[in-house]
Amino acid sequence: DSGVTQTPKHLITATGQRVTLRCSPRSGDLSVYWYQQSLDQGLQFLIQYYNGEERAKGNILERFSAQQFPDLHSELNLSSLELGDSALYFCASSVGASGRLITDTQYFGPGTRLTVL
Amino acid sequence: GQQVMQIPQYQHVQEGEDFTTYCNSSTTLSNIQWYKQRPGGHPVFLIQLVKSGEVKKQKRLTFQFGEAKKNSSLHITATQTTDVGTYFCAGRLPGAGSYQLTFGKGTKLSVIP
Repeated sequence: DSGVTQTPKHLITATGQRVTLRCSPRSGDLSVYWYQQSLDQGLQFLIQYYNGEERAKGNILERFSAQQFPDLHSELNLSSLELGDSALYFCASSVGASGRLITDTQYFGPGTRLTVL
Repeated sequence: GQQVMQIPQYQHVQEGEDFTTYCNSSTTLSNIQWYKQRPGGHPVFLIQLVKSGEVKKQKRLTFQFGEAKKNSSLHITATQTTDVGTYFCAGRLPGAGSYQLTFGKGTKLSVIP
């Protein structure tokens, strides 16, 4: 158990819909990362937040957005869903203390499996 | 764009054989991390390499970071069925992208008992 929690574990929805994935980081971790993992694909970095502020952006679609709240939990919003958005979505957290970001270890949650029908 | 390439994509070995996965970057990395993802699981951190030419060992696993900090390898000696999973390298690119990890596509290891 990494200490990172993600809900829900599974999500089945229809094309065109909007969903919200939730992540609670490990106690004390300030950074949250979101990744997408499609079948037989690696981990595609989507976005990172550090202490409530967006820190880095990867290949995140305009239909997707995220935020980190004052209690440090994060939500990933996916809208106008398409079949190709079906994937495992992982959240990871790290300490992210100033000056340590460059060697931070990321702890991954169990993931949310999204199926778009 | 800047990428971290990992080969092979798949590897099937007989239990007891050795296994190696290679990771290459087109640019110099600040550091590199290795993760293991068991089937149905999530990535779990294994190790981080920071220094040029660094070699680290964890029991049967040996990790190397190239002298130019552009490549890395993970070698498993005498594989066991518990080694099954996908091994990812993740590089941290210098500069503006240093806050994020760029993952390779992973090497999926199957071990035949």
